[in-house]
Amino acid sequence: QLQLQESGPGLVKPSETLSLTCTVSGGSISSSSYYWGWIRQPAGKGLEWIGTIYYSGTTFYTPSLESRVTIYRDTSKNQFSLRLNSVTAADTAVYYCARQKTFGGVITPYFDYWGQGTLVTVSS
Amino acid sequence: EIVMTQSPATLSVSPGERVTLSCRASQSVGRDLAWYQQKPGQAPRLLIYNASNRATGIPARFSGSGSGTEFTLTISILQSEDFAVYYCQQYDNWPPVTFGQGTRLDIK
Repeated sequence: QLQLQESGPGLVKPSETLSLTCTVSGGSISSSSYYWGWIRQPAGKGLEWIGTIYYSGTTFYTPSLESRVTIYRDTSKNQFSLRLNSVTAADTAVYYCARQKTFGGVITPYFDYWGQGTLVTVSS
Repeated sequence: EIVMTQSPATLSVSPGERVTLSCRASQSVGRDLAWYQQKPGQAPRLLIYNASNRATGIPARFSGSGSGTEFTLTISILQSEDFAVYYCQQYDNWPPVTFGQGTRLDIK
């Protein structure tokens, strides 16, 4: 059974960098059949897609965050990570990692497996 | 960016009732639409993809329909475990993907 688990600091200071890692078990991030994404959700609000990485290392980012976001992978550890620079209180949210499949070699950009989420608070 | 609008924001219903949730896209997304269910403290769960296909393990009481800009999620006979927040997500012309703001189902 595929499992995703987010990890990282729960508290980040304003202007610093938020760093989270998603550890995947029961499946390989090196498979060409899947993409791996990050989504966030401020308390009491809706979902916002942040970005996605493919097994090849190709990345896709939401335009509003693209200047501050980096997603990268470590295939030896079966992990992918999120880095968000210059954070403010507006970046306080629960951050989820999730999987997107492919069909016929083309991404199907909905999310079929999710991690449990991790709360990151931006505060001094 | 394609904006997804869900209505109503909150719906109070009784177990056993039939309920229909709406999702509207600011421009056509074809059938590139998914629905998720989220319970408090949990991650979203995929219910429907490609507008009408049920995800693995999703009960038949959940059904999706629509195309273009108008979509609906119907729960035929509400069970107690169905009270949650429901989100739609479009993925036409990925990237990006965008989500609706959610509809909360409350117990009447």
